[in-house]
Amino acid sequence: RKEVEQDPGPFNVPEGATVAFNCTYSNSASQSFFWYRQDCRKEPKLLMSVYSSGNEDGRFTAQLNRASQYISLLIRDSKLSDSATYLCVAYITGGGNKLTFGTGTQLKVEL
Amino acid sequence: NAGVTQTPKFRVLKTGQSMTLLCAQDMNHEYMYWYRQDPGMGLRLIHYSVGEGTTAKGEVPDGYNVSRLKKQNFLLGLESAAPSQTSVYFCASSGHTQYFGPGTRLTVL
Repeated sequence: RKEVEQDPGPFNVPEGATVAFNCTYSNSASQSFFWYRQDCRKEPKLLMSVYSSGNEDGRFTAQLNRASQYISLLIRDSKLSDSATYLCVAYITGGGNKLTFGTGTQLKVEL
Repeated sequence: NAGVTQTPKFRVLKTGQSMTLLCAQDMNHEYMYWYRQDPGMGLRLIHYSVGEGTTAKGEVPDGYNVSRLKKQNFLLGLESAAPSQTSVYFCASSGHTQYFGPGTRLTVL
């Protein structure tokens, strides 16, 4: 079983739609979580951190449920420019501060 | 700030050839990483470094070597390239957040 699991998609949604991605992690020692965005043939870039209380950044909302070991990302009012692959990431401090990446969920926003 | 840079951007090798990928960062980060990304596999950690002069193995270290002689540079070497090493290689550095370089697309024939 992969340490971080995501539905690969693709999620095809019309512009203006709300879309949600889910992610589960298996290592209960994971301490921090992030969503990264990766455009085609480009490097991953940090989209947002995920906090236990939930956090919002404009149209993006991230939630963490430690009891269920579950992370989510909600995108409201989707834009064409949101089309990308979204990577769920778990982080364990110590031993090099390594990140464990999910394989990503592909989003395609269409007219 | 240039952030994280990688050279070269593209490379084609024949089986058995060697090469070195260079990663440089100008953010004074202690931690640096090398990943490979393959379709359906996600990003997998090859080697990492927690400071100048130190290196450690990641998830998929076989066939690769690394060196961190200077804090700002992290080199990834392939001594004898194999077709299975065809991939996109990303370098990253971190304080708390990991920042990635633009990647090197390597094809081994």
